[in-house]
Parts: sequence; C-alpha cells; structure tokens
Amino acid sequence: AQSVTQLGSHVSVSEGALVLLRCNYSSSVPPYLFWYVQYPNQGLQLLLKYTTGATLVKGINGFEAEFKKSETSFHLTKPSAHMSDAAEYFCAVSGEGSGNTGKLIFGQGTTLQVKP
Amino acid sequence: DAGVIQSPRHEVTEMGQEVTLRCKPISGHNSLFWYRQTMMRGLELLIYFNNNVPIDDSGMPEDRFSAKMPNASFSTLKIQPSEPRDSAVYFCASSLEARPGGEQYFGPGTRLTVT
Repeated sequence: AQSVTQLGSHVSVSEGALVLLRCNYSSSVPPYLFWYVQYPNQGLQLLLKYTTGATLVKGINGFEAEFKKSETSFHLTKPSAHMSDAAEYFCAVSGEGSGNTGKLIFGQGTTLQVKP
Repeated sequence: DAGVIQSPRHEVTEMGQEVTLRCKPISGHNSLFWYRQTMMRGLELLIYFNNNVPIDDSGMPEDRFSAKMPNASFSTLKIQPSEPRDSAVYFCASSLEARPGGEQYFGPGTRLTVT
C-alpha cells in the first residue's frame, strides 16, 4: 500500500532563509506526487505536482520540489522564506491500485513557521 | 469559476442531533471526495464518488456517517446521531476526472463542533 511520511511536524525558519520540507513516500508503482498548502482557516491549495518527465517541478509562490526515485523522496524547497509562507504543508501520493480513481494518500502535514 | 462550495462554514450542534454538510463541486468535475481533518488524526479520506457513484467508503468511521451524491452538482455528508468526537473540519474536494495524477480542488471546509 502507498504511504507518505513527512519528517518534522513543525519547521521554523527565519525570513529570507531556505525552506526545506521533507517528504518520503512508499509505492510499488510509479507514483504521482503532490504538495498542497493550507493557510489558516482555509482549504488545501495545490502548490505543485509531479506526474512524469522532468524530476524538478516548479510550483506557485517560488516553491519547487525534486522527485528522487532512488531516495523515494519529494522534498519541497524555497530559496528565501517570506512571512506569507507560514502555513501547513501536505505531501500526497496517488497512483497505486487497480481501478485507481485519483485517490490521494496524504502525509500528516508540516507546519511552517517563519520568524521575522 | 466559484470553486468548490461548502455549507455551512461553521456548525455547532448538540450531541445526538443530526448534522448535514453540503458540497457543490466545480462544474464539469466528475470525482468528489469527502475528507475529515483533526489534530489527532490529520487529514482522512472518508469517501469518494466517481460520476455520482460511491467508489470507496472504507474511510467512513461508522454507520452514523452516510454520504450521497444525487447529481453531478451536489453531495451531502450526514452524521446521525452526532457525537463530540465527530468535531472536526470536513472538506469536500472535486477533480476533473478519475485518474491518478489528477489535481483535487478543495472547498473551504465546514468546521463542526458537537457539544
């Protein structure tokens, strides 16, 4: 069965510092991988996704993620954190199982705090 | 497009009462998902529909929970009777088509408090 592990439930960075949020997945078939962001009191919004092709994926708000099959990872990065990046971030995977209809398996989430 | 619409945004009810949460997916989307989010358990998929047909309801916690999708533009999640442990934020999401890799669009959620 597919699963997602997000390392670190809370990450704190200073404004302007590198953001690195870690995600490892488990899948017996080529995975489709997603990062979603949830701002306070809002629904989830897609940041970026990997399906096939280029392993470095660029998303909205300056975020990017790299699919590394050998490491079963899909870490999310941003070169310079902004105060507005403070939110909860979810990694998700789909793709496994016969008759799959786009069901997503989410990680537990990582709360990003940005300090001034 | 208005996005996924959920109502009510907030619901406070007493234990034992029936609660109905509503969702309108994005027009043209064929898949609809109901999630529950709590601090303890994170984001859980309860049930999802494809072309108005329930495909997987294995995440529905117990018989007190039921979901319907009578047409392509409307779905309900009902809890009867409600219990304090049902307090959570319930999200509805829709997807254009039923395929791996398809993006899900989330509604703003319904915050349910059962006292």
